[in-house]
Amino acid sequence: EAGVTQFPSHSVIEKGQTVTLRCDPISGHDNLYWYRRVMGKEIKFLLHFVKESKQDESGMPNNRFLAERTGGTYSTLKVQPAELEDSGVYFCASSPTGTDSPLHFGNGTRLTVT
Amino acid sequence: QKEVEQNSGPLSVPEGAIASLNCTYSDRGSQSFFWYRQYSGKSPELIMFIYSNGDKEDGRFTAQLNKASQYVSLLIRDSQPSDSATYLCAVNIHSGAGSYQLTFGKGTKLSVIP
Repeated sequence: EAGVTQFPSHSVIEKGQTVTLRCDPISGHDNLYWYRRVMGKEIKFLLHFVKESKQDESGMPNNRFLAERTGGTYSTLKVQPAELEDSGVYFCASSPTGTDSPLHFGNGTRLTVT
Repeated sequence: QKEVEQNSGPLSVPEGAIASLNCTYSDRGSQSFFWYRQYSGKSPELIMFIYSNGDKEDGRFTAQLNKASQYVSLLIRDSQPSDSATYLCAVNIHSGAGSYQLTFGKGTKLSVIP
């Protein structure tokens, strides 16, 4: 069974540019999550999809971040325009139906905004 | 008050010893608790999960939960150099948006000395 895959693994962009991160969850997992780790800080929740619906987006930092999960399969997270403080590692995770199932994480996308 | 707290370490133990990792959390209503291991530059990998008070053993790993004290720990017996990693405590905490968010501590860096 393939795990959670994320693309790209690294991205370096300039302030003001746009970047789109992609996550393919484990097949059949209804729950998809985005998390972010800024250097020196803990991994922080961004948002949670159940199938194609946003269940909880309370962790999204501001309206420069847009997440979609059309069709309830893969998800994208777009940052537009990127700012320096957006640098960090963005993790995607998925889990089967239910709120107590352990999350399976992807390898993350390391975003550097210069 | 931080929601999930861990001693950042580093915690150094000799090979073959028991490593003890501790975590406290703030939400008394939390029901699900997880330990993840993260090697440098890699994704968090689930080690253990525990839902009930008491001990749960899996191989060399034992998770301990005390909901009254809001305390969860991970014991690693017969520590090996390959156990050297950052260990993340994660707790499902009820969010204001009506769902649960997996909330992480900063992690404890463990070094097992050969």
